[in-house]
Amino acid sequence: EPEVTQTPSHQVTQMGQEVILRCVPISNHLYFYWYRQILGQKVEFLVSFYNNEISEKSEIFDDQFSVERPDGSNFTLKIRSTKLEDSAMYFCASKEGLAGIQETQYFGPGTRLLVL
Amino acid sequence: ELKVEQNPLFLSMQEGKNYTIYCNYSTTSDRLYWYRQDPGKSLESLFVLLSNGAVKQEGRLMASLDTKARLSTLHITAAVHDLSATYFCAVVPSGTYKYIFGTGTRLKVLA
Repeated sequence: EPEVTQTPSHQVTQMGQEVILRCVPISNHLYFYWYRQILGQKVEFLVSFYNNEISEKSEIFDDQFSVERPDGSNFTLKIRSTKLEDSAMYFCASKEGLAGIQETQYFGPGTRLLVL
Repeated sequence: ELKVEQNPLFLSMQEGKNYTIYCNYSTTSDRLYWYRQDPGKSLESLFVLLSNGAVKQEGRLMASLDTKARLSTLHITAAVHDLSATYFCAVVPSGTYKYIFGTGTRLKVLA
């Protein structure tokens, strides 16, 4: 069964360093998302991406964040200068379309980011 | 301020019992989603509700959407231990592509 994959599973970094989180969405999916979840808290939307551009971003997604789909398969989230409060689990998700069963989002296993 | 509120936040119930989780939201939307998250794991999509009056059922779970009341319910019938997890609803406000998640309901089913 197709699945969304994410690498790395864990990332430890120093405050101020850049990190890149990688995701491979399901191959025929067209809509891509990044979320984060601070331990024990609710899931927070970061950004949605369609047709090679950002379609929506949250207030969290400031100039320190960027997303890219550098080739036909990868979808990356870059944090330019990490802060302590960026420590969280980051989930990538994808979906096929905007109608019926295509609306089902599939989530990757997540990357746990720890900023020291 | 846009709010998506779930209640209860915590639910401990006996196996075999029925219960309902509520998801209230404060914006116009006709897209509501339910997810399940096991401890330390990712999210799994349960239901996609795309219109007023939509009702979906899978096993012991049934979800419904009332867009006029801005309310969705997740009903659990004859709970079993395997349903123990955290359940999230999420709303996409009309005219946006932004998923706003509820606070989550942590369900524990006692054998």
